[in-house]
Amino acid sequence: AQKITQTQPGMFVQEKEAVTLDCTYDTSDPSYGLFWYKQPSSGEMIFLIYQGSYDQQNATEGRYSLNFQKARKSANLVISASQLGDSAMYFCAMRSGHLGGYNKLIFGAGTRLAVHP
Amino acid sequence: DTAVSQTPKYLVTQMGNDKSIKCEQNLGHDTMYWYKQDSKKFLKIMFSYNNKELIINETVPNRFSPKSPDKAHLNLHINSLELGDSAVYFCASSPGQGAHNEQFFGPGTRLTVL
Repeated sequence: AQKITQTQPGMFVQEKEAVTLDCTYDTSDPSYGLFWYKQPSSGEMIFLIYQGSYDQQNATEGRYSLNFQKARKSANLVISASQLGDSAMYFCAMRSGHLGGYNKLIFGAGTRLAVHP
Repeated sequence: DTAVSQTPKYLVTQMGNDKSIKCEQNLGHDTMYWYKQDSKKFLKIMFSYNNKELIINETVPNRFSPKSPDKAHLNLHINSLELGDSAVYFCASSPGQGAHNEQFFGPGTRLTVL
């Protein structure tokens, strides 16, 4: 079955430090996409970063990088140089082809990140 | 230049009423979605449409009826609202159905059923 697991309900980090948010996934499909979204307290869903299952290199977008370990089925988000504005809920999500799953994102339960000054 | 817009942003109504949420995207995308986020912040797909055709109905009660008049619009009509329907409903769109296609989300509609 397709599943996304985020084991950290809450995390905190000091401003300017790096933080890693964990995500593991399960799918039997060789072709899939992994996504991270940020949801601040205002409620909107903001796309952060994408990693394809066939990508050879880890994705990076500014201060965000994705630590993709395919054999371990993990796709952890690394935020470098944390800022107060990074305080938000972070969701890991997956699209895979299994059972037509390309047509939906499957989300993890989310991790609430608090950045302390 | 809002990419995916939803109206209304907030909706408060009585149990048993019928209500609609509208969604429009100006990105030229083929695929649109409705997601529900419950009080514990869990997000789950409800419906997926591709070129106005229903692709996914994720065991949603038939009180929920999506309507796609054209590729740019996907509206959600809910009949006989129940307390458990209280949630945030997100519309989203993507260029296509491939695994690599990012989904762009609307701002959400917070529905409260009293």
